[in-house]
Amino acid sequence: DTEVTQTPKHLVMGMTNKKSLKCEQHMGHRAMYWYKQKAKKPPELMFVYSYEKLSINESVPSRFSPECPNSSLLNLHLHALQPEDSALYLCASSLLAGKGNEKLFFGSGTQLSVL
Amino acid sequence: GQNIDQPTEMTATEGAIVQINCTYQTSGFNGLFWYQQHAGEAPTFLSYNVLDGLEEKGRFSSFLSRSKGYSYLLLKELQMKDSASYLCAVRDDNQGGKLIFGQGTELSVKP
Repeated sequence: DTEVTQTPKHLVMGMTNKKSLKCEQHMGHRAMYWYKQKAKKPPELMFVYSYEKLSINESVPSRFSPECPNSSLLNLHLHALQPEDSALYLCASSLLAGKGNEKLFFGSGTQLSVL
Repeated sequence: GQNIDQPTEMTATEGAIVQINCTYQTSGFNGLFWYQQHAGEAPTFLSYNVLDGLEEKGRFSSFLSRSKGYSYLLLKELQMKDSASYLCAVRDDNQGGKLIFGQGTELSVKP
């Protein structure tokens, strides 16, 4: 299994809603990531978890709340989002975090629209 | 800080060869990656360079010159399915080893 699975694939939410994005991998990777990608822009790093501990938070607003319940799962809890938060949210994993040739395996993303 | 530059768009013909350039400035360089991303899909890993020189993998090759802060991705025998965005990404050890992505080059392959 070399896949990173993200659900849902599409999500539409209002500014007062609370929703969660989910990500799962069974490759034994110990680092997991959340990226945000706007159309025709590169992925921007949001959070990095290493061994289930938050190691990098790229000054992301608190309306985005990550959670890593175990080494295979990564969630992103969303609350009181703004329309400008509409984007493709990508989850990725790697064997270890930030080491040499460690390549990232990406999920296919959740396309989020905030109305 | 870091700065990664790639051309925004390129067009090439099926069967031809195309070279996508990437220049970077980063203080803690520890490797350069190329990813391919089709519209609405996940980026997929193509290549990794950390030493100077050419890495060849089938129809795709990637080159790195650390002294010049320069890399290119070479695609041979282009196929229509190669139409995608190609992302250059640099690992920066002065920023916790995170990957910094360039803006991506949108490649269109024409018949």
